[in-house]
Amino acid sequence: AQTVTQSQPEMSVQEAETVTLSCTYDTSESDYYLFWYKQPPSRQMILVIRQEAYKQQNATENRFSVNFQKAAKSFSLKISDSQLGDAAMYFCAYRRGSSGDKLTFGTGTRLAVRP
Amino acid sequence: EAGVAQSPRYKIIEKRQSVAFWCNPISGHATLYWYQQILGQGPKLLIQFQNNGVVDDSQLPKDRFSAERLKGVDSTLKIQPAKLEDSAVYLCASSPRLRPGEQYFGPGTRLTVT
Repeated sequence: AQTVTQSQPEMSVQEAETVTLSCTYDTSESDYYLFWYKQPPSRQMILVIRQEAYKQQNATENRFSVNFQKAAKSFSLKISDSQLGDAAMYFCAYRRGSSGDKLTFGTGTRLAVRP
Repeated sequence: EAGVAQSPRYKIIEKRQSVAFWCNPISGHATLYWYQQILGQGPKLLIQFQNNGVVDDSQLPKDRFSAERLKGVDSTLKIQPAKLEDSAVYLCASSPRLRPGEQYFGPGTRLTVT
């Protein structure tokens, strides 16, 4: 069974600084996807960024980028120029490459942004 | 494009009572998911529909939980009878056929069982 581990229950960053959230996963599959989801206090989950396992290039979406280390099964999220609106729970998630398969989530990291 | 709609947003019931949640996915999304998110944990899949057929319900407590997706659009999740440990946020998500890895979530229903 696939597992996703987020070892940082809470993180804090100063506004405008950079923060990195960690995620490791365990799988025997070669075809899979990895995601970072953001869940603000309103509780609506929002997709932040996705990474296909077959792609070597790290995904980037504006201020959000990932460091995907396939051999180490590591998938960290870097938030640059942190903003107050980035404060939320961040969940790392895994999905097998099979069409329509479920997401397996980690336990989340709560990010606080200090003004 | 309208997002995933869920109702109610909040529900408080006593144990052994019944409750139902409703979800309307994004128009055209073939796949619909129901997740249970207990406080302090990540969401856990309860059931997944492809159109109106069940793809995965392996983690659905079938003695008390049931779900249906009539006509492959709206879906209802029911708990009967509820237990204290069912207190959680119930999230509905949907994904498009051509991008099945991208799931779009609704605002969730926060259930409190007393």
